[in-house]
Amino acid sequence: DIQMTQSPSSLSASVGDRVTITCRASQSISSYLNWYQQKPGKAPKLLIYAASSLQSGVPSRFSGSGSGTDFTLTISSLQPEDFATYYCQQSYSTPPTFGPGTKVDIK
Amino acid sequence: EVQLVESGGGLVKPGGSLRLSCAASGFTFSSYSMNWVRQAPGKGLEWVSSISSSSSYIYYADSVKGRFTISRDNAKNSLYLQMNSLRAEDTAVYYCARVFELEGMFDYWGQGTLVTVSS
Repeated sequence: DIQMTQSPSSLSASVGDRVTITCRASQSISSYLNWYQQKPGKAPKLLIYAASSLQSGVPSRFSGSGSGTDFTLTISSLQPEDFATYYCQQSYSTPPTFGPGTKVDIK
Repeated sequence: EVQLVESGGGLVKPGGSLRLSCAASGFTFSSYSMNWVRQAPGKGLEWVSSISSSSSYIYYADSVKGRFTISRDNAKNSLYLQMNSLRAEDTAVYYCARVFELEGMFDYWGQGTLVTVSS
């Protein structure tokens, strides 16, 4: 199975900050990397697919980059509704695996 | 509008069984692979099982293999998860999720149903 790691595990930031979350795969997954946002008590929501494609309806302040084993999710200007937990997930091979999550909270 | 609505969760004793359902609407259900993903309380996301559009391909996580059975009824636009020999560690919110085949991402999720395994 492909192992996914994320860093940091949590971060505190202020509204307007630029936030970067890193995800690393244990082997090359090409661009088969997806990002999800989850708020407490809610289902995950797809933000970015194929490493850098923005899901329909997702604000443009979210962006993704990377390929191979190293990937990044960037929020260009953090908004109050962005405080949540973010997960990466590889869809390169079965089983699909998720990173442990990065919790973004208010500084 | 795509909608996925899970049901069937509840409290069950260790060793017991439960059947989860996921009712789909707003898209051509028979054209998509579907998955179950779970989340233990306070923990991250764990993929459980997947089934292809025609049920030809079925996969399970090692943690549930031999105990859980995924199935679907395309005529009823429904996905199922039969869970047997339940353990405390199966306690989680179970989500059904649609897979966008080309890139393999989970593009739509249900609201989840809570399964609690406890004596």
